[in-house]
Amino acid sequence: DAGVTQSPTHLIKTRGQQVTLRCSPKSGHDTVSWYQQALGQGPQFIFQYYEEEERQRGNFPDRFSGHQFPNYSSELNVNALLLGDSALYLCASSFLGAYEQYFGPGTRLTVT
Amino acid sequence: DQQVKQNSPSLSVQEGRISILNCDYTNSMFDYFLWYKKYPAEGPTFLISISSIKDKNEDGRFTVFLNKSAKHLSLHIVPSQPGDSAVYFCAADNFGNEKLTFGTGTRLTIIP
Repeated sequence: DAGVTQSPTHLIKTRGQQVTLRCSPKSGHDTVSWYQQALGQGPQFIFQYYEEEERQRGNFPDRFSGHQFPNYSSELNVNALLLGDSALYLCASSFLGAYEQYFGPGTRLTVT
Repeated sequence: DQQVKQNSPSLSVQEGRISILNCDYTNSMFDYFLWYKKYPAEGPTFLISISSIKDKNEDGRFTVFLNKSAKHLSLHIVPSQPGDSAVYFCAADNFGNEKLTFGTGTRLTIIP
């Protein structure tokens, strides 16, 4: 049973560029959430997708957007990258309504 | 506003002894609490959880205690093993929210 997978593992981008990160949820899960973890901090909620729609959103600007596909996989897009966007981006999957979320290994984004 | 706080950035414990990790929260709407463990280069792994209707939950060597009046929870690991060395995150949620709020983490080091 495959867990949550994310790609790529690492990414280096230049300020002002755009980036797309990908996530495949744990088998059977229908809900995907994205978190940003800055160095020395806990993960911070970005947004959550269910049935291909954004259900709720954390305190992140519109430069952060996402998508969920019919197979429940998801993408996180960040436009106009800033140096402060450098972080570990974590994808988590769950069943709708469940408290427990299962995390992928993350994508390390470095903005130079 | 840090709604979930882990005031000890690090903790060292002798192998075989008890490890106690603490977590405080400020939002009285939180009704479910989770502990995650994170190794370097991996995503957080769900460890144990507790609902606000309980004050204790046990799973093998791991026990979580919840004191609602003090808005405080703790994770006890007995006996501590070298493989327990990791960063531990406390997280909280409230019914219908499905948006985990994390603390900043405590790095636990088990000394052989």
